[in-house]
Amino acid sequence: AQSVSQHNHHVILSEAASLELGCNYSYGGTVNLFWYVQYPGQHLQLLLKYFSGDPLVKGIKGFEAEFIKSKFSFNLRKPSVQWSDTAEYFCAVNMNSGGYQKVTFGIGTKLQVIP
Amino acid sequence: DAGITQSPRYKITETGRQVTLMCHQTWSHSYMFWYRQDLGHGLRLIYYSAAADITDKGEVPDGYVVSRSKTENFPLTLESATRSQTSVYFCASSESGLAGGPRETQYFGPGTRLLVL
Repeated sequence: AQSVSQHNHHVILSEAASLELGCNYSYGGTVNLFWYVQYPGQHLQLLLKYFSGDPLVKGIKGFEAEFIKSKFSFNLRKPSVQWSDTAEYFCAVNMNSGGYQKVTFGIGTKLQVIP
Repeated sequence: DAGITQSPRYKITETGRQVTLMCHQTWSHSYMFWYRQDLGHGLRLIYYSAAADITDKGEVPDGYVVSRSKTENFPLTLESATRSQTSVYFCASSESGLAGGPRETQYFGPGTRLLVL
């Protein structure tokens, strides 16, 4: 079955530390990839997305992600986190099968940034 | 400029009651989706709709009913609420649901927190 794995469920970092959140998927076909962020008490917001072209994607608030097709991965990175980055992060993968949308979300990673 | 709105934002109901969660979008997006968010499960798709009068089941449709008589509205009904349906429900929309392209990016509403006693 198609699936999306986020291996780090809870990450605690100090401000200015570097961040990398893992995301792997299991699907051999064409994919579109997303990272969403959910700040406490708020709805999901799109951080960045990959559809084609340069596998290194830059998003809002200094986040970036790299699509490595051979590793089925789309890890999220930020060189220096801030307290305001405390949120839950969801990886989502659209596994393009049969022409209709099937987006599968990972279970999320809670990031806590300590001042 | 509203985007997607959901109502109510919070709802407490009792087992066996019927509950309807509303979703409204102002972008005229073709596709609309209902997800539930539960601890340890991330977001799971309940139902989606490709256009008015066209709906289809997602991953966890049991116990839910949807309708889409107008493009901008996509209500979700729990016909007889159960405690297992206590969750946070998110509505989303996208311009396109077909494979490939930025038009399929989903935009989410603020969510409805539902508690079934």
